[in-house]
Amino acid sequence: DAGITQSPRHKVTETGTPVTLRCHQTENHRYMYWYRQDPGHGLRLIHYSYGVKDTDKGEVSDGYSVSRSKTEDFLLTLESATSSQTSVYFCAISDRFSSGANVLTFGAGSRLTVL
Amino acid sequence: KNEVEQSPQNLTAQEGEFITINCSYSVGISALHWLQQHPGGGIVSLFMLSSGKKKHGRLIATINIQEKHSSLHITASHPRDSAVYICAPWGNTGNQFYFGTGTSLTVIP
Repeated sequence: DAGITQSPRHKVTETGTPVTLRCHQTENHRYMYWYRQDPGHGLRLIHYSYGVKDTDKGEVSDGYSVSRSKTEDFLLTLESATSSQTSVYFCAISDRFSSGANVLTFGAGSRLTVL
Repeated sequence: KNEVEQSPQNLTAQEGEFITINCSYSVGISALHWLQQHPGGGIVSLFMLSSGKKKHGRLIATINIQEKHSSLHITASHPRDSAVYICAPWGNTGNQFYFGTGTSLTVIP
């Protein structure tokens, strides 16, 4: 979708291997988020970023790390993938943090399967 | 813990029907988004509300911050409205979005 892209869109990997998902935006928004979506659960926040090199944990951050070295890129890394991390991962960007974001845009999602 | 409850969870309607999806939340919020997700597709924000009512085409969203309730209405529903609709309030504490599990809508021609 315009303004935000995720890669790869699909990945199959084996337990114990490292995996990196990339989120790239062209909107120059300050705030970026990684969520996972699983059946029976709402979107759950993994990590978020409020600026270059400024990141914080969400409710399901165990087993994940992130990095943001440039405004436009937010990387999600699974250091050693487990089957419980099989999920669809969504990146999102927003223009504001407090008082609600006026703009909230999601990437197309990355489907990860860990065998 | 479910900070956000949506009802109904599943909804089937005939084309042309008026549809209402409800969202109740337990946290203090300053704004709320309604999101749409088509099967196998990405997620799109339909509305951001902080008070009152907004209308985009056949979609109307209302919110009552004090009563902790929001509704999404679809007038003259169409099969292309078939999707999952997700309520996403922005919490005043914790600086995060909360998400409902969604309402799956199917509109039959």
